[in-house]
Amino acid sequence: AQRVTQPEKLLSVFKGAPVELKCNYSYSGSPELFWYVQYSRQRLQLLLRHISRESIKGFTADLNKGETSFHLKKPFAQEEDSAMYYCALLYNQGGKLIFGQGTELSVKP
Amino acid sequence: DTEVTQTPKHLVMGMTNKKSLKCEQHMGHRAMYWYKQKAKKPPELMFVYSYEKLSINESVPSRFSPECPNSSLLNLHLHALQPEDSALYLCASSQASSRETQYFGPGTRLLVL
Repeated sequence: AQRVTQPEKLLSVFKGAPVELKCNYSYSGSPELFWYVQYSRQRLQLLLRHISRESIKGFTADLNKGETSFHLKKPFAQEEDSAMYYCALLYNQGGKLIFGQGTELSVKP
Repeated sequence: DTEVTQTPKHLVMGMTNKKSLKCEQHMGHRAMYWYKQKAKKPPELMFVYSYEKLSINESVPSRFSPECPNSSLLNLHLHALQPEDSALYLCASSQASSRETQYFGPGTRLLVL
């Protein structure tokens, strides 16, 4: 069955510290993986898509098929990075997007 | 226009009311989606429209009735809702329904009394 797991509900770091938000997936096909971010009272925004290999707001994510992971990383966290982060898997049958439970990132000054 | 818009932003309704949520996009996308999101939870897919035809219904109760009048518009008709239906309802769109990035609207926050 298709599944996305984000093991940390809450991650708290200090400003300037490195941050890694974990995401593991279960999918038998070729995965299409995304990171979405939801700032307080704002819409869900695309942060990264694995095939684009772009770095958005200093965040990067690498797809590791061997470990079935797609962890999100940033070398130096900023206070404005505080938000809810969702890892999502696009299920090829009809465009169903399966979200992980989300990780709330809190960056303290 | 590069955004998905949703109206109204907030809606309060009684259990016997009939109301509708509206979603619009002018990006030429041919797939549109309804999601339901409870507080501090991820969005859950409700419906997918592909080329104006309903392609996925995630076993949603019939008190939720989607409609896609044209390729830019998506409605969600609500009737006889329950208090547990209170949530943020998100609309999204993508170029096609498979292997394409979905872009989300700001949502309608619904409260059922």
